[in-house]
Amino acid sequence: NAGVTQTPKFRVLKTGQSMTLLCAQDMNHEYMYWYRQDPGMGLRLIHYSVGEGTTAKGEVPDGYNVSRLKKQNFLLGLESAAPSQTSVYFCASSYSTESSGANVLTFGAGSRLTVL
Amino acid sequence: QKEVEQDPGPLSVPEGAIVSLNCTYSNSAFQYFMWYRQYSRKGPELLMYTYSSGNKEDGRFTAQVDKSSKYISLFIRDSQPSDSATYLCAMSGVRNQFYFGTGTSLTVIP
Repeated sequence: NAGVTQTPKFRVLKTGQSMTLLCAQDMNHEYMYWYRQDPGMGLRLIHYSVGEGTTAKGEVPDGYNVSRLKKQNFLLGLESAAPSQTSVYFCASSYSTESSGANVLTFGAGSRLTVL
Repeated sequence: QKEVEQDPGPLSVPEGAIVSLNCTYSNSAFQYFMWYRQYSRKGPELLMYTYSSGNKEDGRFTAQVDKSSKYISLFIRDSQPSDSATYLCAMSGVRNQFYFGTGTSLTVIP
């Protein structure tokens, strides 16, 4: 049982390049989330999904796009990377409040992105 | 006003000390209260969670929730150097929205 897996773990981009971060979970969770973590800022929600085929904006969505084509996968895309997007990105998942599972988040190990 | 407030520290204690970490919150609709531990350059891992009010104990760790005061605490007894990490409090309500504190950095000195 791997939990939440993120790829890649590290990436260096040049300004203007694009890339996709992949998140996969094997816990059959309905909800999935993308956060970024910056020093002194804590965790900030970028986008989230309440189920397959659905996505919604979080606190800091600008410059990012997401897709949830399969229940177990949640992709985060950067179309034109900027230095301000240098950060550590965490994917997380949770049960829905209507299910029998506890309403807590399970995080991946993180993807460290540097934009030069 | 932030939904969740947490003193960032840093907090430095000698090995064996009792550590108290705290968060306050403003939204009375929160039902789940979580504590995450995050080691340097790692992802947050769930340490404990509590549903509604009350205490929960797991080994050296005790989580307390006081909904009347909108105050939660994490106590670590007999602290160990391996407890050195950043501790994040988090809360959620009925809509699967999670709110985090900024984290408290703890160092346990041998």
